[in-house]
Amino acid sequence: DAGVTQSPTHLIKTRGQHVTLRCSPISGHKSVSWYQQVLGQGPQFIFQYYEKEERGRGNFPDRFSARQFPNYSSELNVNALLLGDSALYLCASSLYYGYTFGSGTRLTVV
Amino acid sequence: KNEVEQSPQNLTAQEGEFITINCSYSVGISALHWLQQHPGGGIVSLFMLSSGKKKHGRLIATINIQEKHSSLHITASHPRDSAVYICAVFSNEKLTFGTGTRLTIIP
Repeated sequence: DAGVTQSPTHLIKTRGQHVTLRCSPISGHKSVSWYQQVLGQGPQFIFQYYEKEERGRGNFPDRFSARQFPNYSSELNVNALLLGDSALYLCASSLYYGYTFGSGTRLTVV
Repeated sequence: KNEVEQSPQNLTAQEGEFITINCSYSVGISALHWLQQHPGGGIVSLFMLSSGKKKHGRLIATINIQEKHSSLHITASHPRDSAVYICAVFSNEKLTFGTGTRLTIIP
């Protein structure tokens, strides 16, 4: 059974551009959450979705948005990219309290 | 003050040593996770705890709910254990992470 898959693995964007990151959860997991990890720090919670509904949102600006599709995959969108958005973006799928993480998308904004 | 505090931030030890990493948290939790992150970023879940103690191979995790404290122990440490170990708590429908402990095991 495939784990949590994220795409792309690496991405370079220019300030002001928009980016879409994708995540496919483990089969049977209906909850997907997104995290931002800046170099040298622990991950920070961005969003959680369950059954296609937003269940939680971290302290991130409105430039960050997400959605979950009927097949439980998810997209994270970031508009008007800033240099400070450069980070590893992690997706996790979960069943009850157990989490499985993807390998992340490393976003570099130049 | 962060809701999840880990210590130490960095730890270097000789191969074979017994390793202890500590995690303290300040909120009520439903579960606590110990995670391992290697260079490159991928995170692997090692343990999920809500009480007591769990053991997997050379790794042992304990939690004291009353004291809001958890420890991760590694016995007979090996260079392949070198990684960042992160404590995360599930509270208020979300995971909150510590900043991680960077462990380096020297052969």
